[in-house]
Amino acid sequence: GNSVTQMEGPVTLSEEAFLTINCTYTATGYPSLFWYVQYPGEGLQLLLKATKADDKGSNKGFEATYRKETTSFHLEKGSVQVSDSAVYFCALSLRYSGGSNYKLTFGKGTLLTVNP
Amino acid sequence: DVKVTQSSRYLVKRTGEKVFLECVQDMDHENMFWYRQDPGLGLRLIYFSYDVKMKEKGDIPEGYSVSREKKERFSLILESASTNQTSMYLCASSPSGTPQETQYFGPGTRLLVL
Repeated sequence: GNSVTQMEGPVTLSEEAFLTINCTYTATGYPSLFWYVQYPGEGLQLLLKATKADDKGSNKGFEATYRKETTSFHLEKGSVQVSDSAVYFCALSLRYSGGSNYKLTFGKGTLLTVNP
Repeated sequence: DVKVTQSSRYLVKRTGEKVFLECVQDMDHENMFWYRQDPGLGLRLIYFSYDVKMKEKGDIPEGYSVSREKKERFSLILESASTNQTSMYLCASSPSGTPQETQYFGPGTRLLVL
């Protein structure tokens, strides 16, 4: 089946540090890949996405590149801020059971805490 | 902006009670989803719906049912709540069509079953 494995947390960094959260996937097919973020007390929101190999998604200083050869979609940011403290979820999307719709499969989430 | 609202942020129920969680979206999306979120397990799909009156089982449907009588509203029902259903429940919606579509999430309902 389809699955997403992401780096276990928690991750604690100082402000302005470099961030990497690893994500790899297994999929029967050619998925779209997503990073969602959940700030404290809120639901998830899309951070970035990529829909084909070698695509780079980017938003708010975060980046991730769709690597088909390594089945990976690692999240990076050059300089984190306190406001980036949140839970980050990697996810893939594929058509569901050969039908016309699709579903997301999520990783377990990585808690990031950024200290001033 | 897409808005997905859930009827309650916090809910406390007793074992055996029937529980209704309501979700409403205002963007005319075809697809709606219910997930539960548990520490160390991430998000797991309970049920989803791709049209009015249509429903599909997700990965963990046991102990739950759903109802979608109107396009904008998707209800999750716990027929007889149990303590192992204590969790955060998240609703989401998305346009139909392609796997590239973003899902839009509500703020979640934290359910405690005593």
